[in-house]
Amino acid sequence: GQSLEQPSEVTAVEGAIVQINCTYQTSGFYGLSWYQQHDGGAPTFLSYNGLDGLEETGRFSSFLSRSDSYGYLLLQELQMKDSASYFCAVRDNYGQNFVFGPGTRLSVLP
Amino acid sequence: DVKVTQSSRYLVKRTGEKVFLECVQDMDHENMFWYRQDPGLGLRLIYFSYDVKMKEKGDIPEGYSVSREKKERFSLILESASTNQTSMYLCASSLPSGKNIQYFGAGTRLSVL
Repeated sequence: GQSLEQPSEVTAVEGAIVQINCTYQTSGFYGLSWYQQHDGGAPTFLSYNGLDGLEETGRFSSFLSRSDSYGYLLLQELQMKDSASYFCAVRDNYGQNFVFGPGTRLSVLP
Repeated sequence: DVKVTQSSRYLVKRTGEKVFLECVQDMDHENMFWYRQDPGLGLRLIYFSYDVKMKEKGDIPEGYSVSREKKERFSLILESASTNQTSMYLCASSLPSGKNIQYFGAGTRLSVL
């Protein structure tokens, strides 16, 4: 079967750094993506890792280790507006579709 | 900017009704997707389409069908709505290559009574 695991909730304070982990078990692998979704909003793309290593986009970074079937999203200098749900997603072996994780709800406290 | 538009933000239907959820994208994307989102379960793929008139079942296709007669439009059909289909439905589109970034619509919250 295919499955992705993420922590259900993470809480941090403004200005801090938080890491959201994602482990996956899929029949194939063509890349790990991260999406952000604010309450009542649509998921929006944050980051993509096709190869091992770190990808940096401003305050957000994403890491992938294919040998460990593991990745993480790192959020630095947390702001209140970062409070949202974060989903990892793996593009699997069968065509163009994605498998999404259950999501991690991040709460940023003042 | 890519725009994915879902026809309704909120919808209330009765058990047994036939329900149509419409999705239109304006970026000439080949791929289109329908997901349902339920608390604690993330996004689960119902159907996707990689070309006009083409469709592939996702993880939870039972009780649903889809139609893609034009490249920009992807419709989700609930032939006979049931209460367990009460959910948030999200449509997305993407190009078939590169980072496969998915662009989502705002979602349709469907309640089946």
